[in-house]
Amino acid sequence: DAGITQSPRHKVTETGTPVTLRCHQTENHRYMYWYRQDPGHGLRLIHYSYGVKDTDKGEVSDGYSVSRSKTEDFLLTLESATSSQTSVYFCAISESQASYSGNTIYFGEGSWLTVV
Amino acid sequence: GNSVTQMEGPVTLSEEAFLTINCTYTATGYPSLFWYVQYPGEGLQLLLKATKADDKGSNKGFEATYRKETTSFHLEKGSVQVSDSAVYFCALSGANSKLTFGKGITLSVRP
Repeated sequence: DAGITQSPRHKVTETGTPVTLRCHQTENHRYMYWYRQDPGHGLRLIHYSYGVKDTDKGEVSDGYSVSRSKTEDFLLTLESATSSQTSVYFCAISESQASYSGNTIYFGEGSWLTVV
Repeated sequence: GNSVTQMEGPVTLSEEAFLTINCTYTATGYPSLFWYVQYPGEGLQLLLKATKADDKGSNKGFEATYRKETTSFHLEKGSVQVSDSAVYFCALSGANSKLTFGKGITLSVRP
């Protein structure tokens, strides 16, 4: 199994509060990703990082920000949580060469977030 | 943009039945194609992949062939087991290995 740890694994928070999810990897992979999983939508990319301090938006980035100050850590912040952000959040990593689409992407165990 | 379409579910089969899960895609360039599996309460695990046209990915008795002419990557298994019960996702990889997923399909295998 790829060394990916997500924290917290479960969280209930109130509408309007900020929330930070952490992804920690021990593989020294360059690429890290945050996806959310919702019924009827599969998984959708929120943000990704291609190196320390290098990040970019994905398909559903509104209301989320990310930071990567170290290779091993990728943080996802919900600036002001809303009920529509209730979801399961997955971190993923890839050793990735940017020009090659066949790199395997490894997923963490997920973080269940409920916004009430 | 890229997109992946999976057949509607859920699917319920008896043990030892033949399985086919359809997946078609739309993409620019030359994507790689993947099948991921998710067991209850867990993250996604790579089941198999194919990186170019006519490649066949295989693992644990599952197979899928990258068909560029029909833009398809259908998943098959000759004889399913109860332990194959899970959610299956088809996905394609574009620039920077960003994955585009289908909606997923739940497979239940009864003894």
